[in-house]
Amino acid sequence: KQEVTQIPAALSVPEGENLVLNCSFTDSAIYNLQWFRQDPGKGLTSLLLIQSSQREQTSGRLNASLDKSSGRSTLYIAASQPGDSATYLCAVKGGNQFYFGTGTSLTVIP
Amino acid sequence: NAGVMQNPRHLVRRRGQEARLRCSPMKGHSHVYWYRQLPEEGLKFMVYLQKENIIDESGMPKERFSAEFPKEGPSILRIQQVVRGDSAAYFCASSPPMGRQSTDTQYFGPGTRLTVL
Repeated sequence: KQEVTQIPAALSVPEGENLVLNCSFTDSAIYNLQWFRQDPGKGLTSLLLIQSSQREQTSGRLNASLDKSSGRSTLYIAASQPGDSATYLCAVKGGNQFYFGTGTSLTVIP
Repeated sequence: NAGVMQNPRHLVRRRGQEARLRCSPMKGHSHVYWYRQLPEEGLKFMVYLQKENIIDESGMPKERFSAEFPKEGPSILRIQQVVRGDSAAYFCASSPPMGRQSTDTQYFGPGTRLTVL
């Protein structure tokens, strides 16, 4: 059964810092991996989708990498801003469903 | 193009009552998924439906929970005789027909927060 783990559970950084969020998964037979953002009381917003054949994806200040063989992904956020404060969720697609990690709660301090 | 809509956004029920959660998928999407997010836990898959069919209900509790996606109208997640442990955020997602493609994704609604007193 697929297990997705995210570390750290919480992270607090001063504005302007670069940071890395980590995601690991136990079964490498995935179709893709997605990073989502969840704001308090809100739904999920997709940030980046990395197909199983890809190594990384970039969107603006965000860069996500995927190493399927080792079961790891990282989300790199450059020049963090207070508006980046949210919970970041990693999800891998296997079969009919997405398997989610418990998320990293990020606070960017002005 | 409106996104995935869920209502109500907040629902309060007393133990033993029934909860009915509704989800309208994005226009053009024929597939609906329900996830549950318990406090301090990640989202857990519950059920995957197409119109008038349940495709995968491997994540549904065996008792008290049911889901449907009729030919007309929204998808409904129904919880009978709610207990305090059912308190959670319930998210619906939709997609176009999804196979085993690496580009497959789902679009999430804002969720329904269920509180059982």
